[in-house]
Amino acid sequence: KAGVTQTPRYLIKTRGQQVTLSCSPISGHRSVSWYQQTPGQGLQFLFEYFSETQRNKGNFPGRFSGRQFSNSRSEMNVSTLELGDSALYLCASSLAYDREPYEQYFGPGTRLTVT
Amino acid sequence: GENVEQHPSTLSVQEGDSAVIKCTYSDSASNYFPWYKQELGKGPQLIIDIRSNVGEKKDQRIAVTLNKTAKHFSLHITETQPEDSAVYFCAASKTTSGAGSYQLTFGKGTKLSVIP
Repeated sequence: KAGVTQTPRYLIKTRGQQVTLSCSPISGHRSVSWYQQTPGQGLQFLFEYFSETQRNKGNFPGRFSGRQFSNSRSEMNVSTLELGDSALYLCASSLAYDREPYEQYFGPGTRLTVT
Repeated sequence: GENVEQHPSTLSVQEGDSAVIKCTYSDSASNYFPWYKQELGKGPQLIIDIRSNVGEKKDQRIAVTLNKTAKHFSLHITETQPEDSAVYFCAASKTTSGAGSYQLTFGKGTKLSVIP
C-alpha cells in the first residue's frame, strides 16, 4: 500500500507571496492532519480534515487555511508569507472515523523556505 | 491544553546498550501515546504506540511503558544499533466528545546517537 505523498518536496517563496501544498493520504484513510515543524517550536498541529470538513484547528493565524477534496486529498494554503513561516510542513493520514484516536502516518513533508 | 515534556533532548549510547526516553503529559484525559522516529530528511515514522488501558507494550527491541497515575510514559530500546540513530518524538492524544476530531501534541524530541 502506498504511503502518504506530499508535493512539492521543496519550495522557495518570497515574503508576501502565497503558497499551496498538496497531500495524498493512504488509500482508504479519510482523515488528513497538517503539522508545522520548526527547530524552535517543534511539531505543532495546524488543522485536521475529515470527509471534506475541517474538524479541528490549531493555534495558527487565519493566513493558514486548508481544504479536503472528495477523494480525501488535501491542500493547505499560506497567504502573505512571512519569514517565520519557513518550516517543514507535514501531512498525516489516519482512519480516524470515530471519536477514538487512531494511528497517524506521516508523509515526507514539504520544506518551505521564505526569503 | 495538553503539554508534553520530553527528556533528555540528546542521548548517546554505545552500540548494544539500552536507551530510555521519558515523557510526561499534563492532561489526565489523554489516552493514546504514540512514539515516532524521524530520520534526516524524512517524515516521522510511527514505531510503537500505547493506549491508556495498557501498562506496557513490546515490539521486538522496542517497548513502551505508561504510568497513568504519574502521567508519564517511556520508550525503551534494547540492544541498540547504529540504525537506531535518529530523533525520537513522543506524543499524546485523547478521545474527543465532539465531532470526532483529535490532534497529537508532541514532545520536543530526543536526538539519539548510537556509537558503533
